[in-house]
Amino acid sequence: AQSVTQPDIHITVSEGASLELRCNYSYGATPYLFWYVQSPGQGLQLLLKYFSGDTLVQGIKGFEAEFKRSQSSFNLRKPSVHWSDAAEYFCAVGSNTGNQFYFGTGTSLTVIP
Amino acid sequence: GAGVSQTPSNKVTEKGKYVELRCDPISGHTALYWYRQSLGQGPEFLIYFQGTGAADDSGLPNDRFFAVRPEGSVSTLKIQRTERGDSAVYLCASSPGLAVLNEQFFGPGTRLTVL
Repeated sequence: AQSVTQPDIHITVSEGASLELRCNYSYGATPYLFWYVQSPGQGLQLLLKYFSGDTLVQGIKGFEAEFKRSQSSFNLRKPSVHWSDAAEYFCAVGSNTGNQFYFGTGTSLTVIP
Repeated sequence: GAGVSQTPSNKVTEKGKYVELRCDPISGHTALYWYRQSLGQGPEFLIYFQGTGAADDSGLPNDRFFAVRPEGSVSTLKIQRTERGDSAVYLCASSPGLAVLNEQFFGPGTRLTVL
């Protein structure tokens, strides 16, 4: 069965510091992987996605993620965090045999000045 | 252009009542999804429409939940005999095609509280 694990429930970083949010997935075939951000009162917004090809993908707002098949991971990174990045981040895997998405439980990011 | 809208934004009901939640997708989007997000959890897939038909309803938790999309645009999620465990934020998303290949655009959600 497909599943997504985000081991970190909450992370606090200082503004300007680097960020890495962890995501591990379980999926039998080549996965479609996504990162979404959810700000308070806002709908989920797609940051980036991976289907195939280059394992390092670039997204919006300066985010990137690296697909590592050997580790079943798709970690999200940003070199320098801004206060406006404070939000909830969700990793998701989409099935290529259907149209279902499986989301992790999310990581809440707090940015301190 | 307008994004995905959901009404009402908040709904408070009593146990045992019937509720309807509405989703207006982005114009022209053929795919529409419903998710349920409980407190502290990620969105949980409920049902997927392609056009007017429910292409995958395997995520609906039981037969109290039903969704329609009669004209291939607006969708309504219907919950009968509500239970306190149904309290959650219900999210709708639309996509120009298969969501694994296209971006899903999410609405702000409807917060359902069952007393």
